[in-house]
Amino acid sequence: AQTVTQSQPEMSVQEAETVTLSCTYDTSESDYYLFWYKQPPSRQMILVIRQEAYKQQNATENRFSVNFQKAAKSFSLKISDSQLGDAAMYFCALGTGGGADGLTFGKGTHLIIQP
Amino acid sequence: NAGVMQNPRHLVRRRGQEARLRCSPMKGHSHVYWYRQLPEEGLKFMVYLQKENIIDESGMPKERFSAEFPKEGPSILRIQQVVRGDSAAYFCASSPNPGTEETQYFGPGTRLLVL
Repeated sequence: AQTVTQSQPEMSVQEAETVTLSCTYDTSESDYYLFWYKQPPSRQMILVIRQEAYKQQNATENRFSVNFQKAAKSFSLKISDSQLGDAAMYFCALGTGGGADGLTFGKGTHLIIQP
Repeated sequence: NAGVMQNPRHLVRRRGQEARLRCSPMKGHSHVYWYRQLPEEGLKFMVYLQKENIIDESGMPKERFSAEFPKEGPSILRIQQVVRGDSAAYFCASSPNPGTEETQYFGPGTRLLVL
């Protein structure tokens, strides 16, 4: 069975500061993908960033970057220069089967941005 | 460039009634996934479908729930004889071709409330 654990139910950061959200996972698959999704109050699920497990280079999308530690099965999300619009629930997700399996999600981290 | 469409966005049913949730995948996507999100929880995988085929229904409750993705028209998630515990947000996601593009793109969800 696959698991995804987000150990921080809630995080708070000052606007313009940097925050890191933690995620650990467990899978017996060698080929898998990791994702961070954002869910604002509208409840829409928005893809933030994705990482292929076979790639050693950490993914980056503008102010969002990941720290992928494959041996430790860790996949943290760093948000730089936090903005008020970043306030949301953030979910870490694991996909296997070349994308043919359903994603396994963590329980989420509620990110609060302090103005 | 329409994204994944879901309707209705909100659905209220009384106990014992039927709920039908519809999902139209993104243009060019032939793979559909359904997820359920209970309050304060992450998304849980329910079922994965291709056109006219159920590929994986391991997350689907054995009774009262069914899903289809016909050759023409949207995918339908059907819940018969709803109970209060079925109250949740139901999300649909689509992908173009697992194996070449693993990312799942989510619709806005349907909020089901059972009275």
